[in-house]
Amino acid sequence: GENVEQHPSTLSVQEGDSAVIKCTYSDSASNYFPWYKQELGKRPQLIIDIRSNVGEKKDQRIAVTLNKTAKHFSLHITETQPEDSAVYFCAASKGENFGNEKLTFGTGTRLTIIP
Amino acid sequence: DVKVTQSSRYLVKRTGEKVFLECVQDMDHENMFWYRQDPGLGLRLIYFSYDVKMKEKGDIPEGYSVSREKKERFSLILESASTNQTSMYLCASWTTNNIGELFFGEGSRLTVL
Repeated sequence: GENVEQHPSTLSVQEGDSAVIKCTYSDSASNYFPWYKQELGKRPQLIIDIRSNVGEKKDQRIAVTLNKTAKHFSLHITETQPEDSAVYFCAASKGENFGNEKLTFGTGTRLTIIP
Repeated sequence: DVKVTQSSRYLVKRTGEKVFLECVQDMDHENMFWYRQDPGLGLRLIYFSYDVKMKEKGDIPEGYSVSREKKERFSLILESASTNQTSMYLCASWTTNNIGELFFGEGSRLTVL
């Protein structure tokens, strides 16, 4: 089955600096790569996703890049703000509209923004 | 507003007790999932269901079972709770029509004494 590795496990950055979180996956058939943010005491929520026919996707201060050849993808947060402090999870899926599709998650990165 | 609702936010049970965790979604999603969240281990899939009465094992199914009698409801069952099942349990659902966001419930924090 799919295996997703995520690093670093913790990351502290000064407010205004950039943060990068990296993930690798094992199944070359995976085609859908979302990122989830979990604030303290809350449920994980989707913040951005990318599909394999795209190399990069951006949404305001957040961007995700995908390298299918190397089987890795990254989350980039620019101009970090205190509200970016949270745990971030990457995930992978085949992304096909089959009934038994599922998401495999990485182990998470705790991001702390230092004011 | 889409909703995945878990019946209990906090539970305390004793070793050997049978535990039911209930989850209901109101989005008519086909697929429902139970994940377990532990620090440093991320979100690990226990079981999932892609249709009523259908279920598939995830990565860590040992010690758990599930039930899906209706499309909107997915239950996680611990037949005989053990201390190593103390954890946060997250229910989630998504639609297989254009795979996209996985919607999570608020979580159920289970402590087994």
